[in-house]
Amino acid sequence: AQSVTQLGSHVSVSEGALVLLRCNYSSSVPPYLFWYVQYPNQGLQLLLKYTTGATLVKGINGFEAEFKKSETSFHLTKPSAHMSDAAEYFCAVSPTGTASKLTFGTGTRLQVTL
Amino acid sequence: EAQVTQNPRYLITVTGKKLTVTCSQNMNHEYMSWYRQDPGLGLRQIYYSMNVEVTDKGDVPEGYKVSRKEKRNFPLILESPSPNQTSLYFCASSPITGTSDDKNIQYFGAGTRLSVL
Repeated sequence: AQSVTQLGSHVSVSEGALVLLRCNYSSSVPPYLFWYVQYPNQGLQLLLKYTTGATLVKGINGFEAEFKKSETSFHLTKPSAHMSDAAEYFCAVSPTGTASKLTFGTGTRLQVTL
Repeated sequence: EAQVTQNPRYLITVTGKKLTVTCSQNMNHEYMSWYRQDPGLGLRQIYYSMNVEVTDKGDVPEGYKVSRKEKRNFPLILESPSPNQTSLYFCASSPITGTSDDKNIQYFGAGTRLSVL
């Protein structure tokens, strides 16, 4: 079985500041890891994914995440926050990349202030 | 445009009145799934389907039914809705065969907000 823990249900940053959203996972087999973003009144869309290979993964809108096996983490970062980044972010894990086994975290709502 | 379409977007109903939320995708994806999203709980899977006529329970299937008679459609049925099924529901689809870059990436509909009184 796999699980995901997102630390902090709400994160607030100033525009231009670093964004750091934390995600830790547990998985009995090598995981595939995902970050999804949900803008208000919309469905989820994929930000980035880690499957195999390079542990630093770049996604859309300037976001990136680093897979750290020793820390079982997959934190999401962006060097400079923009007002348009305000949304809810979900980390998700699947044990083999199989769509049916995707487990989501509880989400982190990002607020960006002027 | 490639998309997952859910209808209706908003629905208010009363306890016990059967309802169906439709989901349709135009990407020829094999896999489809239903989730419910509740505050503090994230997304929890209700049912999923690996292909036509193949469905299976997710983590919270009680009180729900699904069918997959056609590849593009995956309706969610609440035969006797109860207030604890008030939630935001999402349908998703994914390609699970082939070599495309989006294999196993789930594409989501815009959501259906259901209130059961």
